Amino acid sequence: RKEVEQDPGPFNVPEGATVAFNCTYSNSASQSFFWYRQDCRKEPKLLMSVYSSGNEDGRFTAQLNRASQYISLLIRDSKLSDSATYLCVVNPFPSNTGKLIFGQGTTLQVKP
Amino acid sequence: NAGVTQTPKFRVLKTGQSMTLLCAQDMNHEYMYWYRQDPGMGLRLIHYSVGEGTTAKGEVPDGYNVSRLKKQNFLLGLESAAPSQTSVYFCASSSLAGEGRGDEQFFGPGTRLTVL
Repeated sequence: RKEVEQDPGPFNVPEGATVAFNCTYSNSASQSFFWYRQDCRKEPKLLMSVYSSGNEDGRFTAQLNRASQYISLLIRDSKLSDSATYLCVVNPFPSNTGKLIFGQGTTLQVKP
Repeated sequence: NAGVTQTPKFRVLKTGQSMTLLCAQDMNHEYMYWYRQDPGMGLRLIHYSVGEGTTAKGEVPDGYNVSRLKKQNFLLGLESAAPSQTSVYFCASSSLAGEGRGDEQFFGPGTRLTVL
């Protein structure tokens, strides 16, 4: 089983739609969780951290379910500019070396 | 403030040739990382460093060597390139846990390497 698993998609949605991505992780001792965004042929960039209580940033909402070991990302009112690959990222290491485990990514294509 | 920079951006090698990829960061970060990204595989950690003069193996270290002689630079070497090393290579850096933005990793723009 992969340490971090995501549905690779692609998810094709119309502008204005709401879309949700899920991600599961295998290590129950994982420390911190993130969503990164990667545009085509570009480097990954942090979209948002995921806190135990859930957090929201504009149209984006991230939630963590430690009991079920999954993380979700909800995008409301999708824009064309949201088209990208979304990477679920986990720090599973109790001694902090800064190492992260990246999921393979979920591709979103928002169409007019 | 350039963040994380990588040179070169593109390179084509023949099997058996060697090369060095350079990563530089100007954020005074302690931690630095080299990843490779292949279709369907996601980002995989090759080597990393938790400080100047220290390096450690990641998930896929075979065929690569690294050095961190200066805090701001992290070099990735391929001694004898193989077609299986065709990939996009990303360097990243992050600050110490509990400082600044902690776990967030900042990435360079990548190096696209083709080995024929």
